[in-house]
Amino acid sequence: DIQMTQSPSTLSTSVGDRVTITCRASQSISNWLAWYQQKPGKAPKVLIYKASSLRSGVPSTFSGSGSGTEFTLTISSLQPDDFATYYCQQYYAYPLTFGGGTKVEIK
Amino acid sequence: EVQLVESGGALVQPGGSLRLSCAASGFSFSDRYMDWVRQAPGKGLEWVGRIRNKANIYTAEYAASVKGRFTISRDDSKNSVYLQMDSLKTEDTAVYYCTRVDTSDSRAFPDYWGQGTLVTVSS
Repeated sequence: DIQMTQSPSTLSTSVGDRVTITCRASQSISNWLAWYQQKPGKAPKVLIYKASSLRSGVPSTFSGSGSGTEFTLTISSLQPDDFATYYCQQYYAYPLTFGGGTKVEIK
Repeated sequence: EVQLVESGGALVQPGGSLRLSCAASGFSFSDRYMDWVRQAPGKGLEWVGRIRNKANIYTAEYAASVKGRFTISRDDSKNSVYLQMDSLKTEDTAVYYCTRVDTSDSRAFPDYWGQGTLVTVSS
């Protein structure tokens, strides 16, 4: 199975900050990577697919980059609604696998 | 508007069985692959499995942790997908999400998610 490792696991930050979350794959997944946002008690919502494609309706403050084994999710200016947990997922091969998550919390 | 509504979650004893349902609306269900993803309390996301569409002979893929115990099926006439869970273990306790799959490219990922249904396996 392809292991997905996210860092950091927790990020304490403030409104307006630039936030970067890293996701590493245990083998190359080309650019078959998605990023999801999950708020407490809610279902995940896709933000980015194919490593850097912004899902329709997602604010342009979100961006994704990377290919192969190293990927990043960047929030250019953190908004109050962005405090949540973020997960990466590879969909290059079965079984699909998720990173462990990054909780973005208020400093 | 895409809607996915899961049902069937319950408290069940170890070794028992349960069938989850997911009713879909707002899109052409029969064309789509569908996934199940679960989340244990306070933990991360775990992909459970996928069922393809009729054009792909309704074939399915499963995570190793559930293979041989869980079965995904679908009824396109009812716009519904199901997760039959047998030989349940305490570690299967989780919220189970039904997801639609985006198949617009050569690889497919979950795009829309239901609100989930809680399965608790305990004696």
